[in-house]
Amino acid sequence: EDKVVQSPLSLVVHEGDTVTLNCSYEVTNFRSLLWYKQEKKAPTFLFMLTSSGIEKKSGRLSSILDKKELFSILNITATQTGDSAIYLCAVESDQTGANNLFFGTGTRLTVIP
Amino acid sequence: DVKVTQSSRYLVKRTGEKVFLECVQDMDHENMFWYRQDPGLGLRLIYFSYDVKMKEKGDIPEGYSVSREKKERFSLILESASTNQTSMYLCASSRTGIETQYFGPGTRLLVL
Repeated sequence: EDKVVQSPLSLVVHEGDTVTLNCSYEVTNFRSLLWYKQEKKAPTFLFMLTSSGIEKKSGRLSSILDKKELFSILNITATQTGDSAIYLCAVESDQTGANNLFFGTGTRLTVIP
Repeated sequence: DVKVTQSSRYLVKRTGEKVFLECVQDMDHENMFWYRQDPGLGLRLIYFSYDVKMKEKGDIPEGYSVSREKKERFSLILESASTNQTSMYLCASSRTGIETQYFGPGTRLLVL
């Protein structure tokens, strides 16, 4: 059965800390892994990863994929209160039919001033 | 386990047809959402609902309407399907406030 597992489920840190969020997956015919940040309504797209070992970076956020070990990490350095959100990981599968996007349940990050 | 189900996994419709996408959740969640996902564009919110008979527009409501007559069911309606509505449609639900959203398996809609 295809699945995406995120850890930890929740995390509380102080401003300035560095955090690492984990996403592991078992998905048939992997195509890509996506990270989203969800604050209020809709998740906001952060990264799409398709190749192992290539780090994607945007400001204080970075992410990398390991297709051999089937996981990805999302790093946030020098955290700010505005980073408080739920971070979702999703894996896209390259298979026919509708069920080709699998979401984890998210990691809730709280950044305390 | 929370379960969010969508009525169809794969749909093919013709331009101009009226299309109904149904979503049902079994966890008594207050909030329900409809998104579409397109390559390179991520998830985009179409409509959401915080309560029965209540609906609010998301970021891309044009060409869509919704209905929430019962708490567990949230329907997305394409009044007159167009080819640019070919997409993956995802339904999600969550409790009140900013809570983890649980996603359904998705419906891939092809409009010819």
